Amino acid sequence: DIQMTQSPSSVSASVGDRVTLTCRASQAIEKWVAWYQQKSGKAPKLLIYAASTLQSGVPSRFSGSGSGTDFTLTISTLQPEDFATYFCQQTIILPITFGQGTQLEIK
Amino acid sequence: QVQLVQSGAEVKKPGASVKVSCKASGYTFSDSYIHWVRQAPGQGLEWLGWMYPNSGDTNYAQKFQGRLTLTRDTSISTAYMELTRLTSDDTAVYYCATDPDSSSADTWFDPWGQGTLVTVSS
Repeated sequence: DIQMTQSPSSVSASVGDRVTLTCRASQAIEKWVAWYQQKSGKAPKLLIYAASTLQSGVPSRFSGSGSGTDFTLTISTLQPEDFATYFCQQTIILPITFGQGTQLEIK
Repeated sequence: QVQLVQSGAEVKKPGASVKVSCKASGYTFSDSYIHWVRQAPGQGLEWLGWMYPNSGDTNYAQKFQGRLTLTRDTSISTAYMELTRLTSDDTAVYYCATDPDSSSADTWFDPWGQGTLVTVSS
């Protein structure tokens, strides 16, 4: 199985900050990574797919990059509603696997 | 709009089975794979498997082989996830998810159902 390792596991930041979250795959997966945001008690919400494509309706302050084994999710200017947990997912090789999540907390 | 609506919370005893439903609307149910994912309390996301409504074909994560059955009723656009021989380790929120814009199993998930909490306790 492909292991998806996210770092950091948690991060504290302030409104207005720029934050970058990282996801590393245990083997090359081209661009086949998606990023989700999950708030407490809710289903995950798709933010980015194919490493860098912004899902319709998602604010442009979210961006993704990377290919092969290393991927990043960047939030350019943190808003209060962005404090949540973020997961990466690889979609190309079964079983589909997720990172363990990065919890983004208010400083 | 595209929507997946799941059945309500369940409480089961160890050794029992649970069956969760996922009703789709707003797109052609038969044309897109339905995936199932679970999340134990305070934990990450774990993929269980997929089912293709058009054919009934399934693919299960090896961990759940023999305990998991994914089915569908196309007449009511509903998918089902049945998990048998439950233990406390199966206590989790179970989600269905799909991608109506894709006819491939290798895809991201949007939308997700609202989740169904399954609690296994004696």
